[in-house]
Amino acid sequence: NAGVTQTPKFQVLKTGQSMTLQCAQDMNHNSMYWYRQDPGMGLRLIYYSASEGTTDKGEVPNGYNVSRLNKREFSLRLESAAPSQTSVYFCASSGKDGQETQYFGPGTRLLVL
Amino acid sequence: GENVEQHPSTLSVQEGDSAVIKCTYSDSASNYFPWYKQELGKRPQLIIDIRSNVGEKKDQRIAVTLNKTAKHFSLHITETQPEDSAVYFCAAPRDTGRRALTFGSGTRLQVQP
Repeated sequence: NAGVTQTPKFQVLKTGQSMTLQCAQDMNHNSMYWYRQDPGMGLRLIYYSASEGTTDKGEVPNGYNVSRLNKREFSLRLESAAPSQTSVYFCASSGKDGQETQYFGPGTRLLVL
Repeated sequence: GENVEQHPSTLSVQEGDSAVIKCTYSDSASNYFPWYKQELGKRPQLIIDIRSNVGEKKDQRIAVTLNKTAKHFSLHITETQPEDSAVYFCAAPRDTGRRALTFGSGTRLQVQP
């Protein structure tokens, strides 16, 4: 059981470039989440998917898009990266809904120059 | 949506002392309150949670108390050890749909040996 995996671990982008962060879970969880973590600001929800085929905006969705490809995979896309998107990105999953334990991936450290 | 405030932002204690972290929430309908621990460079992990049908829950040296009237909940760590040094996050359901969480801004706990 790998749990929640994320790729890449680290990425450097130039302003205006695009990229997709990948996330997969092997726990047969229904719900998946994308967070960004900035110093002193905790974990802020970008987008979430309560079940396969559905996605919803979180607190800070601007500049991001997501795809729930299937039950296992939930990707986050930056279409035109900006320095303000420099952050650590965590993917998480939970069994049924937001009131169960969330299992986090190892994170992706993104630097936008 | 839910608003979660967490205090203090930093906390330094001597090994063996107790530590208390407090969170307040805004939505009186919220009924699930987890706490996550994040060690330096690692992913957040659930350490304890409480649901609104109980006022206190304990697990060895950690406990969480809930006061629904005052809309606050607290994490208590007794007999602190250096390995308790980490950032702790509280959370509450993001909205009445309970499909996601809103996290507090975090408390950095430093246990001095």
